[in-house]
Amino acid sequence: QQQVKQSPQSLIVQKGGISIINCAYENTAFDYFPWYQQFPGKGPALLIAIRPDVSEKKEGRFTISFNKSAKQFSLHIMDSQPGDSATYFCAASMRNSGGSNYKLTFGKGTLLTVNP
Amino acid sequence: GAGVSQSPSNKVTEKGKDVELRCDPISGHTALYWYRQSLGQGLEFLIYFQGNSAPDKSGLPSDRFSAERTGGSVSTLTIQRTQQEDSAVYLCASNPGGGETQYFGPGTRLLVL
Repeated sequence: QQQVKQSPQSLIVQKGGISIINCAYENTAFDYFPWYQQFPGKGPALLIAIRPDVSEKKEGRFTISFNKSAKQFSLHIMDSQPGDSATYFCAASMRNSGGSNYKLTFGKGTLLTVNP
Repeated sequence: GAGVSQSPSNKVTEKGKDVELRCDPISGHTALYWYRQSLGQGLEFLIYFQGNSAPDKSGLPSDRFSAERTGGSVSTLTIQRTQQEDSAVYLCASNPGGGETQYFGPGTRLLVL
């Protein structure tokens, strides 16, 4: 059972364009939704994260949009640059009994290519 | 400062052999995680250590997989009697206990022939 579904699998965008990656989740107990960025040969690194008490969070060119009723969230990359070319993973987690969001469930990833 | 380090970076082994993968977390980080990343797949949670608490082993796929963490720092993931389907990148992450951001190492690429 795939609890976090991510689309598209791959995305090609021109420099300066907007990249949009979507994720849908099933477990309504999830309350923490991060996006990780992974370059080839490297481990993933946290890009931006959101909790469901807000519908949008923006950090520089990166924005998460969150729709709690639809159980969907998306990553928008404005003014996409060739240096943004990487694999992006959405994830979700719920607090355990100790109050920690440690157990991340990841989507399968989106390979983003930004052409110059 | 130094990030999470993993060794070896690449490992080729024959089916049926045992392998050990090592993770050195960021100094002072009490939480440590292991994930498996198979080709074209997302990251699959394997195991979580937090301080002296019992580890969460719920993600280990079979009893051939085990992990330990000595002295609250270095961790070793052991795969016994490796199978070809064990071929993947094994990623380690750490964070200060209770933190949400996980800091990943570069991974160990395991190929089982």
